[in-house]
This record gives sequence, structure tokens and C-alpha cells, in this order.
Amino acid sequence: RKEVEQDPGPFNVPEGATVAFNCTYSNSASQSFFWYRQDCRKEPKLLMSVYSSGNEDGRFTAQLNRASQYISLLIRDSKLSDSATYLCVVPRWKLSFGAGTTVTVRA
Amino acid sequence: NAGVTQTPKFQVLKTGQSMTLQCAQDMNHNSMYWYRQDPGMGLRLIYYSASEGTTDKGEVPNGYNVSRLNKREFSLRLESAAPSQTSVYFCASRRSLGASDTQYFGPGTRLTVL
Repeated sequence: RKEVEQDPGPFNVPEGATVAFNCTYSNSASQSFFWYRQDCRKEPKLLMSVYSSGNEDGRFTAQLNRASQYISLLIRDSKLSDSATYLCVVPRWKLSFGAGTTVTVRA
Repeated sequence: NAGVTQTPKFQVLKTGQSMTLQCAQDMNHNSMYWYRQDPGMGLRLIYYSASEGTTDKGEVPNGYNVSRLNKREFSLRLESAAPSQTSVYFCASRRSLGASDTQYFGPGTRLTVL
């Protein structure tokens, strides 16, 4: 089993919609998690961190389910600028990256 | 404050040629990393350096060598390039483990090996 697995999508949603997707991880000892955003093969940038049950930042909500070993990212009121690939990251001695979930928001 | 810089941005090589990708960070981070990213594969760790003077293999080290020249600089060398090494290469530095764990990426080097 891969350390980090994501639904690749793509998720194609209209502006204003809510979109959510999950990331599963294999190491039950992991304590913290991250969501990174990557635009068009540019460098990934940190979107948000998840240390306990969840985190909210504006329209973005990340939730952690330790029992089932997954984290989720929910985007409310989607904007065109939210179109990107979202990478799930589990840190240990290195950061293990998922392959990414592609989200496309259409007008 | 430039963050993480990489040179070159683009490079085309012929099979068998060698080259060095340069990376530098000005954030005084101890850890630095080299990744490659291929379509549908996500980021795969090639080599990393936990601190100045140390380097370790990642998931896909074959065909590459690295040098941690000092705390700021971490270079990646392809001794004999192969078409399978066509990829986008990202360098990154990491602030620390724990609550403030953040990795900062350079803009990437797009490498094509013919």
C-alpha cells in the first residue's frame, strides 16, 4: 500500500459549488498532515496544515479522521482561481506526497 | 528574501550528456531535498540532505548524485542523462519538524533528454 493515496479526479465543478476529496495514509503514527496546492506544474505551495481533528481557513476546511486514516479537503463557494492540483502530504523524516487531486472550476 | 532558487529553468540534453542542477535557499534551513515530478506520478524524492555535510538517498536515486556544498546550496548531478530522466525537478528546503513543519519549493527545472 502506498504511504499516501489520493483520488486523482479530475473534479470539474461550476463556480460557487462545493467540492470535497479525500486522502488516505498508511502510517497510523502520523500526527500532522498538510495540503499543498500546485498550479500548472509550478512549484507546490502550502495551503493548510492539519494537526488535530481539522482546520478551517476561509472557504477551505480540512478534516482528519484518524480511525479511518484519511484527511479530507473541502472547498466551499468555489472560485475559478481554485482550479489547481491539491497534494496531500504526510511528514515523517521526509514529506510523502500523494499524486494529487485535480480540481477544475468552470464559469 | 528570494526563498529557494533553481537554475536553469529549462534544459535540453542529449542522451549521455551530463549536467548539474543548482539549488540555493536563503532561509537558513537545515534540510534540503530534490524531487522529480512526472505526469500522474506525484513528487518522488531523489535525494535529501538533513544538514550540511550529510546526504541520503530517497526513493529514486539511481542515475543521480548530489552535493551539499554548504548550508545554502544543494546541487543535483546527472552523470549520463537518459530519456527516462526527462522530468520536472524541484528543489525544496524544510523549516523543521513539528508544529512549524513547512517545505518551500523552488520554481523547478524542466529537463528534456533526447
